[in-house]
Amino acid sequence: GENVEQHPSTLSVQEGDSAVIKCTYSDSASNYFPWYKQELGKGPQLIIDIRSNVGEKKDQRIAVTLNKTAKHFSLHITETQPEDSAVYFCAANAGGTSYGKLTFGQGTILTVHP
Amino acid sequence: DVKVTQSSRYLVKRTGEKVFLECVQDMDHENMFWYRQDPGLGLRLIYFSYDVKMKEKGDIPEGYSVSREKKERFSLILESASTNQTSMYLCASSYTYSGNTIYFGEGSWLTVV
Repeated sequence: GENVEQHPSTLSVQEGDSAVIKCTYSDSASNYFPWYKQELGKGPQLIIDIRSNVGEKKDQRIAVTLNKTAKHFSLHITETQPEDSAVYFCAANAGGTSYGKLTFGQGTILTVHP
Repeated sequence: DVKVTQSSRYLVKRTGEKVFLECVQDMDHENMFWYRQDPGLGLRLIYFSYDVKMKEKGDIPEGYSVSREKKERFSLILESASTNQTSMYLCASSYTYSGNTIYFGEGSWLTVV
């Protein structure tokens, strides 16, 4: 089955700096790569996703890049703010008739210091 | 807005008890999922269902079962709770096809003593 590795496990930045979280996946048939943000006491919420037919996608201060050859994808947050502090999860689907199952990375705890 | 509602946010149960975690979604989604979240391990899939009365094992099904009698409702059952099942449980739902957004509930914190 799919295996997703996520790094780093913790990331501490100053407000205004950029943050980058990286993930690798194992299933070459995967074609959907979402990122979720989980705030304290809440369930994960989708913040951005990318499909295998594009290499980069941007939404205001967040962007995701995908390298299918190397099987890795990354989340980039620019101009970080204290409210970006949360746990971030990457995920990948299993190709074929997987009914939308996602395999998640281990999570990254991002702390943005004012 | 999509709403996935988990009926119990915090539960404390004794070892050996039967535990039911209930989840309801209001978007007519075909797929429903139960994940378990533990620090450093991310979210791990316990079971999922792609239709009423249909279910498939995920990556860590041991010690759990599920029930889906109605499209909007998906229950996770711990037949005999054990302390190593103390965790956060997340229910989620999505439309059928792989690559559709999965929406999560707020989670149920279960402590087994």
